[in-house]
Amino acid sequence: DAGVIQSPRHEVTEMGQEVTLRCKPISGHNSLFWYRQTMMRGLELLIYFNNNVPIDDSGMPEDRFSAKMPNASFSTLKIQPSEPRDSAVYFCASSFTELVTNYGYTFGSGTRLTVV
Amino acid sequence: KQEVTQIPAALSVPEGENLVLNCSFTDSAIYNLQWFRQDPGKGLTSLLLIQSSQREQTSGRLNASLDKSSGRSTLYIAASQPGDSATYLCAVMTPGTYKYIFGTGTRLKVLA
Repeated sequence: DAGVIQSPRHEVTEMGQEVTLRCKPISGHNSLFWYRQTMMRGLELLIYFNNNVPIDDSGMPEDRFSAKMPNASFSTLKIQPSEPRDSAVYFCASSFTELVTNYGYTFGSGTRLTVV
Repeated sequence: KQEVTQIPAALSVPEGENLVLNCSFTDSAIYNLQWFRQDPGKGLTSLLLIQSSQREQTSGRLNASLDKSSGRSTLYIAASQPGDSATYLCAVMTPGTYKYIFGTGTRLKVLA
C-alpha cells in the first residue's frame, strides 16, 4: 500500500487566495483526520470523518476553513480566503476502526502551507 | 478534558545510552496510546501502538509500556544511535471518539 498520500507537498500563496489541500487515505481505512502543526500550538485536530461523514469539526478555526470527503478514497481541506496566520504544516491521517478497537493512525507526509 | 504531557521537552545523550521518554495523560479512560517519531520537516511515523487492554509493546530496540491507572506511558530506547535523533510524540485516543490528543513531544539528540 502506498500509504496516505497528500498533495501538494508545498504550497505558497498570497493572502486572500483560495487554497485546497488533498488527501488520499489508505484503502480500507474508515476514518480520516486533518491536523495542523505549528511551533506554537503543536498538533491540533481540525476535523475528522468516519465512513465519509464529518463527525467532529470543532477544531476548524473559523468559517474560512471547510473540508469534504466525497468518497472513501478522497478528502479535501479548503481555506478561503487564506491569511498569513494559516501558515503551518497540514497533515492528513487515516485509521481503521472495527467494533470498539481502533488500530492507530497512519499519517501522510504533510503539506507545508505558506501564506504571504 | 484530556491533556497529554511529555517530559523532558528535549534530551541530548551520547550514543549507546539506554533512555526513557515519558508521557502522562489526565484521563485514564483511553482506547489506546500510540508513539510516533517525527524527523525535521517530515511527517509522523508510527512506532508502537498499545491498546488499552495491553501493558506493553516491543519493536526492535523500542519498548513502550502503559499504566492506565496512573495515566503514564514510557518509551524505552535501548542502545541509542545517532539515527534515533528525532522528535518523539505520544498520542492518546479519547473515549467516545477515535481522535488522538497529542503531547508536545520530546526532541531527542543522540551524539556520535
